[in-house]
Amino acid sequence: GAVVSQHPSWVICKSGTSVKIECRSLDFQATTMFWYRQFPKQSLMLMATSNEGSKATYEQGVEKDKFLINHASLTLSTLTVTSAHPEDSSFYICSTTGQGRGNSPLHFGNGTRLTVT
Amino acid sequence: RKEVEQDPGPFNVPEGATVAFNCTYSNSASQSFFWYRQDCRKEPKLLMSVYSSGNEDGRFTAQLNRASQYISLLIRDSKLSDSATYLCVVNRAGKSTFGDGTTLTVKP
Repeated sequence: GAVVSQHPSWVICKSGTSVKIECRSLDFQATTMFWYRQFPKQSLMLMATSNEGSKATYEQGVEKDKFLINHASLTLSTLTVTSAHPEDSSFYICSTTGQGRGNSPLHFGNGTRLTVT
Repeated sequence: RKEVEQDPGPFNVPEGATVAFNCTYSNSASQSFFWYRQDCRKEPKLLMSVYSSGNEDGRFTAQLNRASQYISLLIRDSKLSDSATYLCVVNRAGKSTFGDGTTLTVKP
């Protein structure tokens, strides 16, 4: 299956700082990547869909100015949490369908655990 | 009503037991269906796709009933290593919706 690498695996930062999370597709070109967030004991919630070369599509309730997504190449999408606050502490995971079509199963990066103090 | 609903459990079963998880979805236009497994503090990993004809992978059997909008996962001969959260995932128009997950603990 598709290999997706996410970095960093965990990060602790102070309130007010920005954190960048990288998601790379290692063995294929990903025109679309998905960014999810998961709070403890809850399911994954889609934050946004990242499209190579164009603006990301954000889900309702997700602030696009706070969660900046850049998908400048076919192998790299980044999510920047700007001016992070403790309530942004969560597990952030990127995913892609690999080279499959839109309704193919998702392959996930290993996730980034963000803790904002 | 949530688009994808699962019994949260937890299910606590002894080794060797058979356990079944259920999942219902609300949108009849849903196109593809999957079960994922998520271990604590890890990313979800694809367990199996689900088809109307039913499909089996070793001890795992998945079934889809489109008429009832219902998906199931059966695990036979449970192992300690099966302990995890099992996520039901429904795709429609390229978008995946996750259930809240069912937690399984297999005990010796």
